Amino acid sequence: QAVVTQEPSLTVSPGGTVTLTCGSSTGAVTSGHYPYWIQQKPGQAPRTLIYDTSNKHSWTPARFSGSLLGGKAALTLSGAQPEDEAEYYCLLSYSGPYVFGAGTKVTVL
Amino acid sequence: EVQLVESGGGLVKPGGSLRLSCAASGLTFSDAWMNWVRQAPGKGLEWVGRIKSKNDGVTTDYTAPVKGRFTISRDDSKNTLYLQMTSLKTEDTAVYYCATAGGFSGSPWNFQYWGQGTLLTVSS
Repeated sequence: QAVVTQEPSLTVSPGGTVTLTCGSSTGAVTSGHYPYWIQQKPGQAPRTLIYDTSNKHSWTPARFSGSLLGGKAALTLSGAQPEDEAEYYCLLSYSGPYVFGAGTKVTVL
Repeated sequence: EVQLVESGGGLVKPGGSLRLSCAASGLTFSDAWMNWVRQAPGKGLEWVGRIKSKNDGVTTDYTAPVKGRFTISRDDSKNTLYLQMTSLKTEDTAVYYCATAGGFSGSPWNFQYWGQGTLLTVSS
């Protein structure tokens, strides 16, 4: 089974910008992996912010954006807010089965 | 509004069995593909498996650690998704979430809606 890699933790200042990345043990992440970005706050159910690389749901704040960057999927948070402090999971599709990354803990400090 | 409500979690001894349910509302359940995702205490998310709709053959896919032990099924007349778990191991201890799935990989329905989860504890 493929392994999806993410930074364990990142810190961003309020109002600042941070980019989370998501790599695959099988090679470059492409649009064919249909990358997802899922936010989870302590004690809450997950909430999907980004699907299919860069598409947003109606509840996704505009400050979040998804892209492909240097062979990885990326989630950029521009203008971080205190409420963005959370765990962020990348999810990739491998022609059917899905694999989550271990998550990135984002601290807004 | 789409709502997913899981139930059936509890304490089970290693080697035991349990069935989880996910009651769905606010969507045409018979057309929906559905996922199960789990999260061990203090750990990350793990995709468990997916079931397609009747129109798409009700086929299922599973992650390797649960193949042969877990079975996903559905009752469209009750708008309910199931996860039958057998030969349970301590490492199956987790909160189990159901989530919507789409009919193709890039579908916005994939993991669009999540339930609140139900806790399974496997311990002697």
